Formats: sequence, structure tokens, C-alpha cells
Amino acid sequence: DADVTQTPRNRITKTGKRIMLECSQTKGHDRMYWYRQDPGLGLRLIYYSFDVKDINKGEISDGYSVSRQAQAKFSLSLESAIPNQTALYFCATSDQRASYNEQFFGPGTRLTVL
Amino acid sequence: ILNVEQSPQSLHVQEGDSTNFTCSFPSSNFYALHWYRWETAKSPEALFVMTLNGDEKKKGRISATLNTKEGYSYLYIKGSQPEDSATYLCAFGNEKLTFGTGTRLTIIP
Repeated sequence: DADVTQTPRNRITKTGKRIMLECSQTKGHDRMYWYRQDPGLGLRLIYYSFDVKDINKGEISDGYSVSRQAQAKFSLSLESAIPNQTALYFCATSDQRASYNEQFFGPGTRLTVL
Repeated sequence: ILNVEQSPQSLHVQEGDSTNFTCSFPSSNFYALHWYRWETAKSPEALFVMTLNGDEKKKGRISATLNTKEGYSYLYIKGSQPEDSATYLCAFGNEKLTFGTGTRLTIIP
């Protein structure tokens, strides 16, 4: 069983629609992250959370919001999707007790905004 | 925003040949340098975490070196095999990681 799961795996939506991407983990990690990956660019951090009550903006948070419903769940929302949010989205987790913040990634969600 | 650069962007290597590629990062305030391996349609997976200047890590045919004073790390693959085909990412930082754009490696049988 996968330790970090993401749903949906693929989604096609239209401009202006609200979309939620979900991430769940069974690793017991307290830290969770959302990244997007675009061709030719590295993984870019959207939001991160170090525990349920701690939410922080990353490098490219505009147009996104998140919710940390429980230690194991971290959701990413696009309130009004636009075509330039078409990308591959990854959720990741890490354990604050680990020395060097090794991150564990989910399988990714491919989102297309038409 | 930290600048993490990887070169080359892509690489084609004949099966059995050895290869290497580079990650460069800011040489000040070093904490850790991570290498990840990302196969198509799969999740990025951690290969190494490099923490000390002069560090060398090895996993099978893959090894990595670190120079924190000049701000670079090399990843080496000895005797490339088709299953080594993947994108290799490096990431720099502490609580937040900044990723490079990756080196896409294709092994030609």
C-alpha cells in the first residue's frame, strides 16, 4: 500500500471551476507539502504545513489555498481554476524528527484546465 | 529564492557506459543537498542526502560527491543500465527544499 496517496490522479476541468486535490499519508509524518511541476521548471513549492495548526505559503501560493484537516490529510484547492494552473501536482511528507528533511512524494495529480 | 541549477538538462548514454551530472547551489548557509530519482509516471524517490563537505555516498552503481565550499555536487552512474533511465533531481535547503530542474537521463540499449 502506498504511504502517500493523492486523489484524483488525473483531472480535466474548465476555467473558473473550483477544484480540490487531496493528499493522505500513513507515514505518521507531521510535515506536508504541495508542489507543482511544469515542463522545464523544477518542483515549485505552493504551500507547506508543519503541523495541523501551521500553514505557510510557499514560492507560488497565489490562486491556491490549502486545508490541513488532520495530521494525515492536506488538501489543495484552486478556487477558480485558470489554464496556467495546468500542471503535475505532487504532495510530499517529511518527519520533523528526521535530521535532514528527506521528503516522501505521492504519485502526483495531473491537472488540465481548459 | 535560492538558485539551484542542474546540468546537463538531458543526456543520452549508451548502455554500459558511465556518466555523471552536476548540481550547483549557493555555497553560503549550507544545510543539506538531496538527490532524488524520478521515473516517468512514478513519484520522485530519495537517493542520497549529502550533509558534509567532502561527503561521498554510494548505492550500488550510483554515487554522489559534495563540495559545499564551491557549491556543487556530482552524481555518478557506473555501467549504465536501461533501468537507470529517469530524471535526477537535486534539492537544496533545510525545512523547505528548493529543487533544480533535473537532468533527464536516457540509457540507449
